[in-house]
Formats: sequence, structure tokens, C-alpha cells
Amino acid sequence: QVQLVQSGAEVKKPGASVKVSCKASGYTFTSYGINWVRQAPGQGLEWMGWISAYNGDTKYAQKFQGRVTMTTDTSTSTAYMELRSLRFDDTAMYYCARRQMGVAGSNWFDPWGQGTLVTVSS
Amino acid sequence: DIQMTQSPSSLSASVGDRVTITCRASQSINNYLNWYQQKPGKAPKLLIYTASSLQGEIPSRFSGSGSGTDFTLTVSSLQPEDFATYYCQQSYSTPYTFGQGTKLEIK
Repeated sequence: QVQLVQSGAEVKKPGASVKVSCKASGYTFTSYGINWVRQAPGQGLEWMGWISAYNGDTKYAQKFQGRVTMTTDTSTSTAYMELRSLRFDDTAMYYCARRQMGVAGSNWFDPWGQGTLVTVSS
Repeated sequence: DIQMTQSPSSLSASVGDRVTITCRASQSINNYLNWYQQKPGKAPKLLIYTASSLQGEIPSRFSGSGSGTDFTLTVSSLQPEDFATYYCQQSYSTPYTFGQGTKLEIK
């Protein structure tokens, strides 16, 4: 079955970087993109950006431009999200989700990884 | 950025009730609207895509409708496993944005 499995929880100090992985299985990795979404404790969902696993094209939310890099390794069907210059308010659960395309550019997120908790603490 | 506003923010209902959650976009998004369900400690799960298409494994008691700026998610007869938080999300333009969520609780 289609599955995304993310790396384990991380604790980082302010100013550090974190790199979260998302390993895909059960489908042709390069036929889909991967979105990254985060959720601060007790809060809603925030889209960070997405990457095409076909050609590596990326689109980042303006809020994260300059601080985030999304990459893929097609040899291992794994997507990565690196966030730099971490702040306390970057503490959140980070999810990857496959970008499923429909007609005329419609798209949706399915399935989702289990999430990776990133805690920023001094 | 397109703002997505859900109402209500929380809702108490009983098993067997029919409930409707509304999502409004700050501009027209055609039918580029998706709904997700999230249970505590779990990742979101896709329920409905492009406003009214039911994801394959989702029970038919869930339905979605709308186009343009106004959308609804309806659960025709609530089951115990439906008590969760629901989010709408627009995929019309980046940044993709979510509603603030509707927490559906047991009365």
C-alpha cells in the first residue's frame, strides 16, 4: 500500500538546522510531488511548500523562503525538508504528504506521513 | 493569500445526528477545495477532494458540496469514530491554505 514513513523526533537549539526525511513506498516515487505541512502544538495546519519528485522543482511558502530547502533522493524514494535558523516558534509536528493531481491543476494531499515532532529548546 | 474560514469552530453533536460544516474562501477557488479529518495524535486524512469527490475508503455518510467561495462538508449520520477535527484546504493557488479547523465533539 502507499505509505510515507518519516524520520524520528528531533530536539534542536535555537539557530540550529533540522532535516526531516520522508520515505515513500508502494508507488512510483517520481510520478508525484511531496508537500510539507506543519502543525504547532494545539494549532492548525500550515503549508510550507512542495517539491516535484520528477524534476526537483520546488515551490515554497513566502514565510519560509530563504530558510527552507526541500530535496529528493530518487534512488531511495525519499524526500527531505531542511529548516534552518530554528526559532522557538518552529516547534511543531512536521508532516509530508503526497501531492495527488487531478484535472486542470486540481490537487490534494494523500496520504500523509505519520509526522515528525521538532522541538526547539535551549 | 487566500483566506479560508470555517464555521463553526467547534460543534457538539450526538451519534446519529446530521452535521454540516461550512468553509468560505476569500476569493473564488472554483472547486479546488479539499477536506481532511484529523484525530488526536494522528496525521490528517483525506476525506473529500475537489469539493465533492469522496476519497476511495471513506464511508458514504460523508459528502461535500460547493463551488466558488462557499463549501460544505456534511456527515449524514454521525458515528462514534467521526468525532475529530475537520479542516478544509484550498489548492487553487499557492500558498495552499487551510481553514482553522472545526472540532466535532460528542454531546
